[in-house]
Amino acid sequence: SQELEQSPQSLIVQEGKNLTINCTSSKTLYGLYWYKQKYGEGLIFLMMLQKGGEEKSHEKITAKLDEKKQQSSLHITASQPSHAGIYLCGALTGTASKLTFGTGTRLQVTL
Amino acid sequence: NAGVTQTPKFRILKIGQSMTLQCTQDMNHNYMYWYRQDPGMGLKLIYYSVGAGITDKGEVPNGYNVSRSTTEDFPLRLELAAPSQTSVYFCASSYSWLAGGANTGELFFGEGSRLTVL
Repeated sequence: SQELEQSPQSLIVQEGKNLTINCTSSKTLYGLYWYKQKYGEGLIFLMMLQKGGEEKSHEKITAKLDEKKQQSSLHITASQPSHAGIYLCGALTGTASKLTFGTGTRLQVTL
Repeated sequence: NAGVTQTPKFRILKIGQSMTLQCTQDMNHNYMYWYRQDPGMGLKLIYYSVGAGITDKGEVPNGYNVSRSTTEDFPLRLELAAPSQTSVYFCASSYSWLAGGANTGELFFGEGSRLTVL
């Protein structure tokens, strides 16, 4: 099974709606990263969480790391077409030298 | 400041051919990584390096080789290309992990190299 699971795999929401993407690890998370990838392009860093219970926001995107440090959620408020893309969570779960990624969540925002 | 530069951006190979994907970063980062992303999928770590002269295998190293003779460069070598290696390859670098403060351990990614093996 995957060390890092993301859900849902894909999501279609109407513009203006809120949405949540989850990232669950089978191991304790020492750091959790959220990246966004536009179709056919590179990855854009969104935010990084380290401490249990930590929450960070950037514009309309909020990410949380649960207290047990095995799950993170990414919440988008009032979605816009510019939010469309693939959201990837990356985790430090042990060896502090490499980052492993989830399978990604493909988000489409309809008008 | 160019960041992470990958070349080539696109390449088509025949089965059995070999090639090297180049990756250079100008941020003096110690850590460098190669990932592959298959269509509709997330990223899989191929190899990584924590400094010049040091490399280690990631999740999917078979069919690839790397070297790290300098801090700046981390080339990925494909020997005997196979159709299963058709993918988009991303090189990334970071300063350090869990350093706190301004050093968040963020990975800086190149724009990707799209490889097709026919």
